[in-house]
Amino acid sequence: EAGVAQSPRYKIIEKRQSVAFWCNPISGHATLYWYQQILGQGPKLLIQFQNNGVVDDSQLPKDRFSAERLKGVDSTLKIQPAKLEDSAVYLCASSLRPQEGSTFGSGTRLTVV
Amino acid sequence: GQQLNQSPQSMFIQEGEDVSMNCTSSSIFNTWLWYKQDPGEGPVLLIALYKAGELTSNGRLTAQFGITRKDSFLNISASIPSDVGIYFCAGRSAGSSNTGKLIFGQGTTLQVKP
Repeated sequence: EAGVAQSPRYKIIEKRQSVAFWCNPISGHATLYWYQQILGQGPKLLIQFQNNGVVDDSQLPKDRFSAERLKGVDSTLKIQPAKLEDSAVYLCASSLRPQEGSTFGSGTRLTVV
Repeated sequence: GQQLNQSPQSMFIQEGEDVSMNCTSSSIFNTWLWYKQDPGEGPVLLIALYKAGELTSNGRLTAQFGITRKDSFLNISASIPSDVGIYFCAGRSAGSSNTGKLIFGQGTTLQVKP
């Protein structure tokens, strides 16, 4: 089966600019996650969707980050405006059910200068 | 918030040696997962554990769900160069079982000398 697709792979922006990431989960996976992975750390959950509804966004900086999952399939994560500390790899993952281990995409490496 | 303490932070071993790493939590977890991450890629699931005391193998990898439900261990036997990477533990606390929220450790970087 096809894996989790993410784009772009790399993005460099200046601080205060906006950026958007796209994710296409594995077909049929109802649960979709966005993680932030800062260099040298483990992934940190930003937001979790079940179909097109938000299950957990407690660690999403809502003043600058937003995410949506269109029709319960693809998802986009947006940062506006970006800060230097947003430099990280943004990983999308999906699973058939929330209780199962997730399949991760290759991530988008964001550099804010 | 909840944290996982993963150790060691890094390991440099000779090919053929066995490797052990562990993860501890201050709270009780209902699920433990072990992932491996190669450079430029997302983490890949190695082993999933769902019951206290459970011991599960995947080839040369063996992981255990600690009896206290606050720790987990991963062993790699007879390491080979392709075992190089960062290994992450991830846990799901009792309160988040329905939502599936995972907390990740800081990772163990493994280097294997041929």
